[in-house]
Amino acid sequence: GNSVTQMEGPVTLSEEAFLTINCTYTATGYPSLFWYVQYPGEGLQLLLKATKADDKGSNKGFEATYRKETTSFHLEKGSVQVSDSAVYFCALSRGNTGNQFYFGTGTSLTVIP
Amino acid sequence: DGGITQSPKYLFRKEGQNVTLSCEQNLNHDAMYWYRQDPGQGLRLIYYSQIVNDFQKGDIAEGYSVSREKKESFPLTVTSAQKNPTAFYLCAAGQVSGNTIYFGEGSWLTVV
Repeated sequence: GNSVTQMEGPVTLSEEAFLTINCTYTATGYPSLFWYVQYPGEGLQLLLKATKADDKGSNKGFEATYRKETTSFHLEKGSVQVSDSAVYFCALSRGNTGNQFYFGTGTSLTVIP
Repeated sequence: DGGITQSPKYLFRKEGQNVTLSCEQNLNHDAMYWYRQDPGQGLRLIYYSQIVNDFQKGDIAEGYSVSREKKESFPLTVTSAQKNPTAFYLCAAGQVSGNTIYFGEGSWLTVV
């Protein structure tokens, strides 16, 4: 079946530290991969995506590379800010299942000044 | 302003009452979804719809009902049969042929 596993949190970092949030997936075929971010009390916002192997998604200083050989899509940022504090969700989509999405459990990030 | 609008943002319900959460989108997307999120947990799919007048159960459909009479609207009813309805409910929309979905701001439901 299809599933997403992401590292458990919470993660606490100091401002300007390097961030990695691990995400691995299980899927048949060639899924699209996503990172969504959820700020407190809000819905999810699309942060970045990649639709095929070796693609790199990037946005707001965040990056993730679609690695088919390791079935991974790890989220990275070189220098986090307090405003990056949020919950991050990794997800995959299989278009031929009616665009159904499969989400990880989320990783909470707190950045302290 | 385009996007997905959920209402109300906060809702309190007495036990034994049904309540309906509204979701409207002006993105012209065919597919719409309802997810439930419990504190500190991930998202679980309740129902989804790919076309008007048709919808499918997700992983946790028991105690919920939906309708899709218009492309723009996908209301969710939380019935009295839902044992633990207190949660954060998220509506989303996307193209069936596409590969991205977009979320509303969510609705908090509390049973008192």
